[in-house]
Amino acid sequence: DSGVTQTPKHLITATGQRVTLRCSPRSGDLSVYWYQQSLDQGLQFLIHYYNGEERAKGNILERFSAQQFPDLHSELNLSSLELGDSALYFCASSVTEYGYGYTFGSGTRLTVV
Amino acid sequence: AQTVTQSQPEMSVQEAETVTLSCTYDTSESDYYLFWYKQPPSRQMILVIRQEAYKQQNATENRFSVNFQKAAKSFSLKISDSQLGDAAMYFCAYRPFSLRETSGSRLTFGEGTQLTVNP
Repeated sequence: DSGVTQTPKHLITATGQRVTLRCSPRSGDLSVYWYQQSLDQGLQFLIHYYNGEERAKGNILERFSAQQFPDLHSELNLSSLELGDSALYFCASSVTEYGYGYTFGSGTRLTVV
Repeated sequence: AQTVTQSQPEMSVQEAETVTLSCTYDTSESDYYLFWYKQPPSRQMILVIRQEAYKQQNATENRFSVNFQKAAKSFSLKISDSQLGDAAMYFCAYRPFSLRETSGSRLTFGEGTQLTVNP
C-alpha cells in the first residue's frame, strides 16, 4: 500500500456521462498530481494541485476538471465522456510542490462503452 | 519541449542474469531529475531509482543502478541478478529542476519497456 488512495478502482460508464474520480494523498503530502495512461497516448500529465491551488496544467481536456479540497483530497471530474477517454487514471502525491519522487496510487480504470 | 524515448518496447532476461534498459531524453535545461518507474501487472507505479543531473555519480539502489551520460542525454537502467518479481513495464521519466508555470512539477514519461524474466 503506497498510502495514496484512489477510488473507485474500476468504473464502467456510457458515452456522454459524467464521472468523478477521487484521490486521497499520502498523509502529510500537500501536492496532488493527476495522470492519464492510455494505450495510444502513454502516460500524460493532466494537472497538479498544491495545498488547494492549481499549480500546472498539462494535456487536460476542457471536458475534464479537478480540484483539491481543504482536507487535501482531490477529485477529477470527467464529463461528456467519449470512448477515447477510456484509460487508467493515476493520482500521485508528494510532500512539497517540487514533486521530487512522487508516490502513485493504484489508479482508477475507466471504461467508456 | 522535453521528450523521453525508450527504444526497446520489449526486453527479456534469464533469471539471475543482468539486463540493461535504455532511455534517451531531450531537454535544453541544465538541471533536472531523471527517474525509473516500474509498473507490474498490479499496475501500481513504483519508483525504482532517481538521479539528479547535477550529480556525476550514478545512482544505485541494491540490484538497480543507472548509467547517466549527461552529454549524450542517456539514462540507462541496469538490473543485476534479475528476479522473477522484476518482470514489469519500466518507464523512464524526466522532470525539470526548476518550477515554471508551464511545466510545474510534471513528469514526462517514455513509452515504456516491457521486461520479461525467464526462469
